[in-house]
Amino acid sequence: QKEVEQDPGPLSVPEGAIVSLNCTYSNSAFQYFMWYRQYSRKGPELLMYTYSSGNKEDGRFTAQVDKSSKYISLFIRDSQPSDSATYLCAMSFTGNQFYFGTGTSLTVIP
Amino acid sequence: EAGVTQFPSHSVIEKGQTVTLRCDPISGHDNLYWYRRVMGKEIKFLLHFVKESKQDESGMPNNRFLAERTGGTYSTLKVQPAELEDSGVYFCASSSNGDTQYFGPGTRLTVL
Repeated sequence: QKEVEQDPGPLSVPEGAIVSLNCTYSNSAFQYFMWYRQYSRKGPELLMYTYSSGNKEDGRFTAQVDKSSKYISLFIRDSQPSDSATYLCAMSFTGNQFYFGTGTSLTVIP
Repeated sequence: EAGVTQFPSHSVIEKGQTVTLRCDPISGHDNLYWYRRVMGKEIKFLLHFVKESKQDESGMPNNRFLAERTGGTYSTLKVQPAELEDSGVYFCASSSNGDTQYFGPGTRLTVL
């Protein structure tokens, strides 16, 4: 069983839609939760970082962590074509070794 | 501030040859990480340096892989001899505080 499960998609939405991306995990000891965005042939770019449970908002992005359900989410409001990318969830026990999901490919159609 | 840089961006070698990948972390970042993504799989951790010391190398696949970080600045990852299954994208990341990791663009390694 993988440590982190993420639906690979692809996900296609119209511009302006609300996007919901999700990951589940099996190990309750994870404490750090991250979302990265990766454009084609580029490295992962940190979007959101959360320690333990709760919500975090940054502009159009909201990250949620539900440790009781072992489930994390990233919401993108008013999605833009420039949001088209692969979104990777990652988590860590100590903040060092990261465990990644396989990524969800998102396309926002103008 | 310059980000994490990696060299080369792409390397094509034949099975049995040696390849050395280089990573320059963000200036001042003591923590340096290597990860690898094999096609179709998730990004996986290889190892973690704190300054020039290996803190965790539990993800290194075998002894054909050697990572160094002399002087605590840039790092190299050598694969010798390379095998077909070593093909993938090798990412380097750095961090000042041990949790927020900033990734480089990756080196795409193709072993023929």
